[in-house]
Amino acid sequence: QSVLTQPPSVSAAPGQKVTISCSGTSSNIGSNYVSWYQQFPGTAPKLLIYDNNKRPSGIPDRFSGSKSGTSGTLGITGLQTGDEADYYCETWDSSLSTGVFGTGTKVTVL
Amino acid sequence: EVQLVQSGAELREPGESLTISCKGAGYSFTSYWIGWARQMPENGLEWMGIIYPGDSDVLYSPSFQGQVSMSVDKSTNTAYLQWSTLKASDTAMYYCARRLGRANHHSNWFDSWGQGTLVTVSS
Repeated sequence: QSVLTQPPSVSAAPGQKVTISCSGTSSNIGSNYVSWYQQFPGTAPKLLIYDNNKRPSGIPDRFSGSKSGTSGTLGITGLQTGDEADYYCETWDSSLSTGVFGTGTKVTVL
Repeated sequence: EVQLVQSGAELREPGESLTISCKGAGYSFTSYWIGWARQMPENGLEWMGIIYPGDSDVLYSPSFQGQVSMSVDKSTNTAYLQWSTLKASDTAMYYCARRLGRANHHSNWFDSWGQGTLVTVSS
C-alpha cells in the first residue's frame, strides 16, 4: 500500500472547482517536492504539475498545485467533462530512498 | 521530441523469465534517469525503481528489490525490465518514463512516458 493517501474520488459539476489532497509524512512530502499526473483509462499517465506548483508547457492554468507541511493539493477549476480521469501525486521518500505514488483519485464531472 | 517506445504485450506462464524494453529517442539517453512503474488491473500506479543509463546506477523500491532487475544498453538507448521467475501476480501494465529534476532526488518528476507494456502471466 502507498505511503501517500488520496481520496478515492471527488466530483463536481461542469465549471466548478475540485481539489485533491495528497497526505504524506515528514520523510516524503514534508521534505521533498510533489508532482501530479493525469491518467485516462487505457493510456499512460501525463505530467500535470511538478515542483509542487509548476506547470509544464501546454498544461492549462486551470490546473494548479500547492504544498503545505506534509500535504500536497491539486486544484482543477472550470471543470470540464474532459477532465474525468484518475489523478496521482508523487514524491521522493527520503527514508525509503525511493519514489512513491499516491493511492489515486478518480475525478467525476456530474 | 522526447519519445519512449516500449516493447509489445507479452503472455507468459508462471515460472518463465521475461525481459521488456523501453527505447528512448529525441534526447541524450545517458543523461537522464529512467523509471519503471507497475499498474495492476484496476489498481493505481506503483513506483518500481529508476536507473541512470550513464553509469547503470539503480535505485529499487523496497517492494520490488529482488523481484525484478533493471538494466540499460547505452549503444541502443534502451532500458530493460527483467523477471527471472514470473508469478501470476506479475500480471500488470508496466510503464517506463524519463525522470527530470535534481541529482539529490528531492525534486524529481516523470516528464515523458512510454505507452506501456501489458504483461500477462497465466497457465
